[in-house]
Order: sequence, then structure tokens, then C-alpha cells
Amino acid sequence: AQSVTQLDSQVPVFEEAPVELRCNYSSSVSVYLFWYVQYPNQGLQLLLKYLSGSTLVKGINGFEAEFNKSQTSFHLRKPSVHISDTAEYFCAVSEAGGFKTIFGAGTRLFVKA
Amino acid sequence: EAEVAQSPRYKITEKSQAVAFWCDPISGHATLYWYRQILGQGPELLVQFQDESVVDDSQLPKDRFSAERLKGVDSTLKIQPAELGDSAMYLCASSARLAGEVEQFFGPGTRLTVL
Repeated sequence: AQSVTQLDSQVPVFEEAPVELRCNYSSSVSVYLFWYVQYPNQGLQLLLKYLSGSTLVKGINGFEAEFNKSQTSFHLRKPSVHISDTAEYFCAVSEAGGFKTIFGAGTRLFVKA
Repeated sequence: EAEVAQSPRYKITEKSQAVAFWCDPISGHATLYWYRQILGQGPELLVQFQDESVVDDSQLPKDRFSAERLKGVDSTLKIQPAELGDSAMYLCASSARLAGEVEQFFGPGTRLTVL
């Protein structure tokens, strides 16, 4: 069975500063990894996903994530955040060849002016 | 742009009452998911449909929750009777096929408050 741990429940950061949201996963098999964003009172929207190939994945809104198999991590990064990036971010994992996706507890990113 | 529709957006009910939520997935999406998201937590899968068939309902509290997708298109999630602990956001999502690597498209959710 897979599990996902998001290491920070809240991350406050100033506008235009870089940010990293940390995600670790546990699985005995190959996995697919995802980051979703949720704005207040809305559903989740896919930011990026890793299926195979290059370990550096680029997504929407200037976000990128790096898959590190040895450290079982999939951290999300953005070099310069905007106020509009304030939202909840969810890391998710599914088993390669399977169909169930497990979500982490979320990290609330709060961008301050 | 195609979207997943959900209604109602908000529902307030008293415990022991029955509630129902509706979801209309993106046209052509065969897979439909119902998630429960408790405040401060990530979404937890309640039930997953492939067309009209249930493929996973292992986390659905079947003594009070039921879900159906009779024609393989829209879906209804029902709670009867509602309990205080059912207060949460109920999210519906859909995807083009049943596979772990595909993107799930989420609706705006129904926020349930049980008094």
C-alpha cells in the first residue's frame, strides 16, 4: 500500500521569494506522483505529474518538482511566488498499473506582501 | 471548457436527516470518484465507478452512505442518517479512464454541515 507524507502543514513566504513544499511517499512498487492545488472553496487542479522519464517535471504557473527515487521524495518548487499562489497544495501517489490515488494531508502556502 | 458540476454547493442539515449530493462528470469520462475532505486533511476516496460499476468502495461507510451511477453518466451520493462527524467537503472527480496515471478533474465540491 502507498502512503504520502507532506512534511509541512503551513508554509508562510514573502512575495517574490522562492518556495519548496516537501513530499515523501512510501511504496513497495513503482509509483506515479502528482501535485494538485486547491484554492478556497474550489476543487483540486492538477499542477504537474511524474509518470516516468526525466526526474524534473515542469508544471503550470511556474511550478516544478523533482522525483528522487532514493529519497522517496517529490518536492514542489517555485523560484518566485506571487500573492495569487496562496492556496492548499496536495501531493498524491498512485501505484504504477493501479488505479487508486492516495492524497497527502496538504500544505497551506501563504504568500505575504 | 468542460467542467465537473456538483450541486448543491452548500448544505446544512440536522443529524439523523437524509442528504443527497449530485455530480455530473465531464462528458465522455468513464471513471467517476467521490471523495470526502475533512477540514485540514487531504481528500479520502469514498467510492470509484467505472461506467456504472463500482470498482472500489472499501472506505464507504455502507451502513449510512450509498452511491449510484445508474446510466454511467451522473452520480448521486446519499447519507442517511447524517451524523455530526459527516461534516466535510464532498468532492466529485472524473477521469477519462481507469488508470492511476491519468489526471482527475475535480468539481467545486459540496460543503456539508451537520448540526
